[in-house]
Amino acid sequence: GENVEQHPSTLSVQEGDSAVIKCTYSDSASNYFPWYKQELGKRPQLIIDIRSNVGEKKDQRIAVTLNKTAKHFSLHITETQPEDSAVYFCAARGGAGGTSYGKLTFGQGTILTVHP
Amino acid sequence: ETGVTQSPTHLIKTRGQQVTLRCSSQSGHNTVSWYQQALGQGPQFIFQYYREEENGRGNFPPRFSGLQFPNYSSELNVNALELDDSALYLCASSLGGGLDGELFFGEGSRLTVL
Repeated sequence: GENVEQHPSTLSVQEGDSAVIKCTYSDSASNYFPWYKQELGKRPQLIIDIRSNVGEKKDQRIAVTLNKTAKHFSLHITETQPEDSAVYFCAARGGAGGTSYGKLTFGQGTILTVHP
Repeated sequence: ETGVTQSPTHLIKTRGQQVTLRCSSQSGHNTVSWYQQALGQGPQFIFQYYREEENGRGNFPPRFSGLQFPNYSSELNVNALELDDSALYLCASSLGGGLDGELFFGEGSRLTVL
C-alpha cells in the first residue's frame, strides 16, 4: 500500500520567517495531495491541495509544490504568524491502477510553532 | 461550516465492550470514510462507504465494521474493544466514491478504553 513520510516532525520558527514541510510518497499512481491543519482538539481542515497534473499551487501565504518524478511534495508558508501554530499533515490519495486506489494516506504530522 | 456531524463527542468504555459511533455527512455527499487518529499520529484509514457499500478498507481487523444508510449517514462499530483502540475517530464525507474532491471532516469522537 501507499506509504507517506513527512519531515520534520517539529518545526520552530520566528514570526515572519518561512516554514517548509516536506513529504514523500511511494505509490506512483497517487493523484491528489492535500495538506491539512489541525489545531489541538479540533478536526483536520484542508488548507491547500494539488493534483498530479499541476506542479505548483499558491494561495496567499501558502504554496504547495509537487515533483511527480521524485514522488515528493512540499508545503511552504511565508510570513508566518503565531496563529499558524498547529499540526500540519500531508496526505496522498491513490489513483487508478495503484494499490491504494481512492484511499487517503496521511503523513505522521509536523508540529509547527511560530514564536512572536 | 463543513456540515459533518459526529456523535458522541467523547465516550469511555472498558476492554471487551462494544461501541457504535455515528456520522451525518455533509448535505449532498454520498461517500463517508472513517479514520482512526491515535494521539500524536496522523489519521489512519479504516474504511469507506459509497452508496451504502464498502468500497475500500485499510489494515484494520474485522471487529471494525460499518454501515451506510440510504440518507448517506454512517456508523462505525468496534467489537471486543482493546486498550489500543483509544483514539479520536474521524468521519469524513465527500462525493464520487472518494475518488475526487475534498474530504470534509467532522469534529471526531474521542474514545477512551480502560
